[in-house]
Amino acid sequence: GQNIDQPTEMTATEGAIVQINCTYQTSGFNGLFWYQQHAGEAPTFLSYNVLDGLEEKGRFSSFLRRSKGYSYLLLKELQMKDSASYLCAVPFSGGYQKVTFGIGTKLQVIP
Amino acid sequence: DGGITQSPKYLFRKEGQNVTLSCEQNLNHDAMYWYRQDPGQGLRLIYYSQIVNDFQKGDIAEGYSVSREKKESFPLTVTSAQKNPTAFYLCASSTPTDGSYEQYFGPGTRLTVT
Repeated sequence: GQNIDQPTEMTATEGAIVQINCTYQTSGFNGLFWYQQHAGEAPTFLSYNVLDGLEEKGRFSSFLRRSKGYSYLLLKELQMKDSASYLCAVPFSGGYQKVTFGIGTKLQVIP
Repeated sequence: DGGITQSPKYLFRKEGQNVTLSCEQNLNHDAMYWYRQDPGQGLRLIYYSQIVNDFQKGDIAEGYSVSREKKESFPLTVTSAQKNPTAFYLCASSTPTDGSYEQYFGPGTRLTVT
């Protein structure tokens, strides 16, 4: 089976940096996704990591360490609009297009 | 513009009635999915379809049914057998892009059954 763990809630200050962690267990690794979801809206794609290391995309970066079953999403220069849930997701091994989503980390950015 | 549409955004039904949620995509994606999201829980897969005229049960298929007669359409029926149908329902589609299967989501339908 597949299991994903991430904190349920975090609070950070506008302009600061926040790191959202995700640990996963899967029988076969096919990459890891991060999605952003504002309240009442659909998730939107942020990043996909398949190799170890850090991938930077503007204010957002995503890191993967496959040997540890670990990833994090780094958000820099936080803005109020970054208040949202951040979902970690892992594709099924073998079922090439199925994805298991974590519960999501609800981030609140405060002034 | 390509995308996924779901309608309606809000839907209200009486207990005991079946209700069908629509999902249409013009992205030419092969795979389509239905998820359910409840407060404090992650997205849970109800059904998915990888090609036309074929679909598989997800983790919580009981009380739901789907059809995939056209590539563009993947409607979900919530039957009276579903014990707790009130939830936020999300439809998604995907296709391999650079080795990943990024999922594109529709805006969702919030179903309330009383």
